[in-house]
Amino acid sequence: DTEVTQTPKHLVMGMTNKKSLKCEQHMGHRAMYWYKQKAKKPPELMFVYSYEKLSINESVPSRFSPECPNSSLLNLHLHALQPEDSALYLCASSQVSQAVGNTIYFGEGSWLTVV
Amino acid sequence: DQQVKQNSPSLSVQEGRISILNCDYTNSMFDYFLWYKKYPAEGPTFLISISSIKDKNEDGRFTVFLNKSAKHLSLHIVPSQPGDSAVYFCAASSTLTGNQFYFGTGTSLTVIP
Repeated sequence: DTEVTQTPKHLVMGMTNKKSLKCEQHMGHRAMYWYKQKAKKPPELMFVYSYEKLSINESVPSRFSPECPNSSLLNLHLHALQPEDSALYLCASSQVSQAVGNTIYFGEGSWLTVV
Repeated sequence: DQQVKQNSPSLSVQEGRISILNCDYTNSMFDYFLWYKKYPAEGPTFLISISSIKDKNEDGRFTVFLNKSAKHLSLHIVPSQPGDSAVYFCAASSTLTGNQFYFGTGTSLTVIP
């Protein structure tokens, strides 16, 4: 069982809606990530938070807004999305470590469909 | 630019035989490599990893081999089971870039009963 929990598992939203994806981990990890994955493609990095601060933003459009309220929670706020944003959104966590052996663990994902 | 590549999009193997999944990388600074297994509609599950100071790591039916000079790693599954049918991603990271993980495009493994 994954120790990274994502809700909701499925979300259908219109292009004018505002919704949020939520992620929680209890592994004591201080790095949390949002990835986007389309069918038959590798996970594509969107954002990285280290110690609750945004450390990497991979030029993601502003209609995606991440938030890290505390060390266990990560949100992704969605507004004015486009149909091409439909994808599996994956949350992940890891240690913040410069040592070799840092493993990233994924949640089960939230399937987003924009209509 | 794809720094981690999996050149075989799919692989079919008979149950009980060995499955060998390959991965190549271009960045010589990568020092940690991971394999993930992904079922449809689920997130990737961590399978096994290897650091660059080793050339082999084994965990049950799964063994990862690393050839640094060739910038190549492979995942061996012996014996293959139908439940192993999934998409396998390799990933790489570097202590220099910390929390950046680079993923390959995946290989879809089908184990035929």
